[in-house]
Amino acid sequence: GAGVSQTPSNKVTEKGKYVELRCDPISGHTALYWYRQSLGQGPEFLIYFQGTGAADDSGLPNDRFFAVRPEGSVSTLKIQRTERGDSAVYLCASSLGPASGSYEQYFGPGTRLTVT
Amino acid sequence: DAKTTQPNSMESNEEEPVHLPCNHSTISGTDYIHWYRQLPSQGPEYVIHGLTSNVNNRMASLAIAEDRKSSTLILHRATLRDAAVYYCILRDRGGGSNYKLTFGKGTLLTVNP
Repeated sequence: GAGVSQTPSNKVTEKGKYVELRCDPISGHTALYWYRQSLGQGPEFLIYFQGTGAADDSGLPNDRFFAVRPEGSVSTLKIQRTERGDSAVYLCASSLGPASGSYEQYFGPGTRLTVT
Repeated sequence: DAKTTQPNSMESNEEEPVHLPCNHSTISGTDYIHWYRQLPSQGPEYVIHGLTSNVNNRMASLAIAEDRKSSTLILHRATLRDAAVYYCILRDRGGGSNYKLTFGKGTLLTVNP
């Protein structure tokens, strides 16, 4: 079946611009995560959704970052006034959620964001 | 989150077994041990997880020390496609519904033909 998809695969933007990154999770997965990965580092947690609500946004670095999941499936990560330090690969993952007893997270291929 | 320590890199030859170590001396009784791997230019991929007993699946085996302060991921016959960064992660079983993963830098496994 289809895995997690992310669009665009690459995004180049100028400093100060606004960007949106999209994640399509696996159908039926209620849990959705966003992570950010800088070069040479492991992924870093940003935000977790259970259904439509953001259950944990403790990893968002500042108020320029915001994410939504209005219908409990597709999610959009929004970054305002981008800075060069925001350049990274943004990864999305989904899982079946706590009721299933399954812990496995399925990751998408990521969106490589470059801020010039 | 409890911390894990892994070697920065390891090398193996194709068709040979690989043992990837992980130390987690501050592990708590409610922490699961998870392994993920990340192939070049891809997102991480789940490999295996365990709590106390050794675990086997189609990809690998996980050997957990009796005191749970260390574990070893075993690839029984390495292939070139196993070249990746391998992450050992502790996840709190009692963390409610949030199964967020805390990644370290992992071990870069190189497989020689």
